[in-house]
Amino acid sequence: SAVISQKPSRDICQRGTSLTIQCQVDSQVTMMFWYRQQPGQSLTLIATANQGSEATYESGFVIDKFPISRPNLTFSTLTVSNMSPEDSSIYLCSAEGFGYTFGSGTRLTVV
Amino acid sequence: GNSVTQMEGPVTLSEEAFLTINCTYTATGYPSLFWYVQYPGEGLQLLLKATKADDKGSNKGFEATYRKETTSFHLEKGSVQVSDSAVYFCALSVPMNRDDKIIFGKGTRLHILP
Repeated sequence: SAVISQKPSRDICQRGTSLTIQCQVDSQVTMMFWYRQQPGQSLTLIATANQGSEATYESGFVIDKFPISRPNLTFSTLTVSNMSPEDSSIYLCSAEGFGYTFGSGTRLTVV
Repeated sequence: GNSVTQMEGPVTLSEEAFLTINCTYTATGYPSLFWYVQYPGEGLQLLLKATKADDKGSNKGFEATYRKETTSFHLEKGSVQVSDSAVYFCALSVPMNRDDKIIFGKGTRLHILP
């Protein structure tokens, strides 16, 4: 399985600002996924990112709020834009491959 | 649509007790099934998986058998340890789906008392 490095591991941000989360995979993968885990909740898929095309967003998530980049087959970023306290969550990236490896997550607190 | 239902927690057991966490699924096609574990303050780790009916996934003393007739994938461990305290997520993916994403259950928090 792939190994994913995700950073930052945690951050505290002011409302109205933006944070970009990075995920680096140790092998080439076609699909990467971004999830949100709100406190005490399960994981909700934000979007699927394929290299060379625009990300596909799930219902309730929009590109203006969560822009995603996928410049190559080993890297992706998720930006949480114009943050509010409701965006306080753990954000995780995942790469395809049987079993879907996950990054260690970014714990975001918006104050 | 595809969905996963797992027993609500928290589940509290004494060390060395037998563990069962129930998981049932609804899926079109032929799903692959997973159990993930999330230790406090950490990300998600794949615990075990099964790809077809009657497959048994196992790891670290945990087991789960893919039961197509009951659409279930219950997680079991014969003797739990304090270090097993974590949140456990049952999940599925249907490889032929357009986007091949994983769908998670709501998670079950497990507390093991020494």
